[in-house]
Amino acid sequence: DVKVTQSSRYLVKRTGEKVFLECVQDMDHENMFWYRQDPGLGLRLIYFSYDVKMKEKGDIPEGYSVSREKKERFSLILESASTNQTSMYLCASSMNQLREQYFGPGTRLTVT
Amino acid sequence: AQKITQTQPGMFVQEKEAVTLDCTYDTSDQSYGLFWYKQPSSGEMIFLIYQGSYDEQNATEGRYSLNFQKARKSANLVISASQLGDSAMYFCAMRLMNRDDKIIFGKGTRLHILP
Repeated sequence: DVKVTQSSRYLVKRTGEKVFLECVQDMDHENMFWYRQDPGLGLRLIYFSYDVKMKEKGDIPEGYSVSREKKERFSLILESASTNQTSMYLCASSMNQLREQYFGPGTRLTVT
Repeated sequence: AQKITQTQPGMFVQEKEAVTLDCTYDTSDQSYGLFWYKQPSSGEMIFLIYQGSYDEQNATEGRYSLNFQKARKSANLVISASQLGDSAMYFCAMRLMNRDDKIIFGKGTRLHILP
């Protein structure tokens, strides 16, 4: 069965803290993605990776960085969390360019 | 510009009725894939169905079918015999073969199934 896991379902952090969101997939997928989802704005792509140590900016990369040291793991980093980064964060992976993405359960991050 | 449009922000349907969720897309690319995802209140995005731009037959997966009309650039999701557990947010999405591997999502339709 396809499996994408995220390190936390809920997270509360303070402004200025460094935040790590971890995502792991067990399907040997090449491609991994990070999205944020906000009411009225839908899903927006932050970063994606098509191979180990490779990363590409999505539509809203500002304030975020990513790391992919191993194929199965894709980390999203908030260098200095701000209140406007309060959101639902969704990780996804896919086998190749045209096929479906499989999503993790999401992390609801609150920055106070 | 590449775009997905879902014109129904919310829908209410009686249990056991069929439901059609609208989706239109805009692209000049010839190779693309179309997807529908379901997001229940728990937050997880669940893949439902896929249609490739060169597929001649409409995709079906159990109670889900995709009404693909290429000339009209529409990819409506049809749910037959709706169930209470179908209440969720539904997203239509498009992926382009030669465009940096991104997937473009619509804003979603909130479906409520009434008992």
